[in-house]
Amino acid sequence: GEDVEQSLFLSVREGDSSVINCTYTDSSSTYLYWYKQEPGAGLQLLTYIFSNMDMKQDQRLTVLLNKKDKHLSLRIADTQTGDSAIYFCAERISGGYNKLIFGAGTRLAVHP
Amino acid sequence: NAGVTQTPKFQVLKTGQSMTLQCAQDMNHNSMYWYRQDPGMGLRLIYYSASEGTTDKGEVPNGYNVSRLNKREFSLRLESAAPSQTSVYFCASTGPTGTDTQYFGPGTRLTVL
Repeated sequence: GEDVEQSLFLSVREGDSSVINCTYTDSSSTYLYWYKQEPGAGLQLLTYIFSNMDMKQDQRLTVLLNKKDKHLSLRIADTQTGDSAIYFCAERISGGYNKLIFGAGTRLAVHP
Repeated sequence: NAGVTQTPKFQVLKTGQSMTLQCAQDMNHNSMYWYRQDPGMGLRLIYYSASEGTTDKGEVPNGYNVSRLNKREFSLRLESAAPSQTSVYFCASTGPTGTDTQYFGPGTRLTVL
């Protein structure tokens, strides 16, 4: 079946790199996304990667995709307190409507 | 350009009451979605509308109805609210951009007593 799994919590020191991991099960995924949710707010798209890519870099964000292992990661360089939020991994399932399967979210806590 | 807007932001209902959650987008998107978010779980799709005039069930449609009033607006109705429907509800929309990115509203926090 379709499933996306993430660890629920990550704590890092300000200035360090954060790596949030995600695994998915559907090999037909076309796009994979990272969304950020700040307290009391909706989900904001951070970045996405197409399934035929291995890596995508966008300023402090690096997305790595290992399609063989169905593993996706988000690296945030020089993590700041403003990066504290919940990060959701999502995969788009091909065929039919634009169906996204979300992970449960990883809560990133950044401490001084 | 406000993006996706939702009203109300907060709502408290008693069991058995009804209410409608409103959603509107000004991005000329064809597809719109309603999700619920519960603690420790990802977002789960309640209903979606691929285009104006069409609606379809998602993963958890029981207890809900929807209306795609026009291209901009997509409402979610709870006919007889139950405590199990206490959740945060998000509306989203997608345009034909190729990346199929969904844009989310700020959410409605609903408590059913």
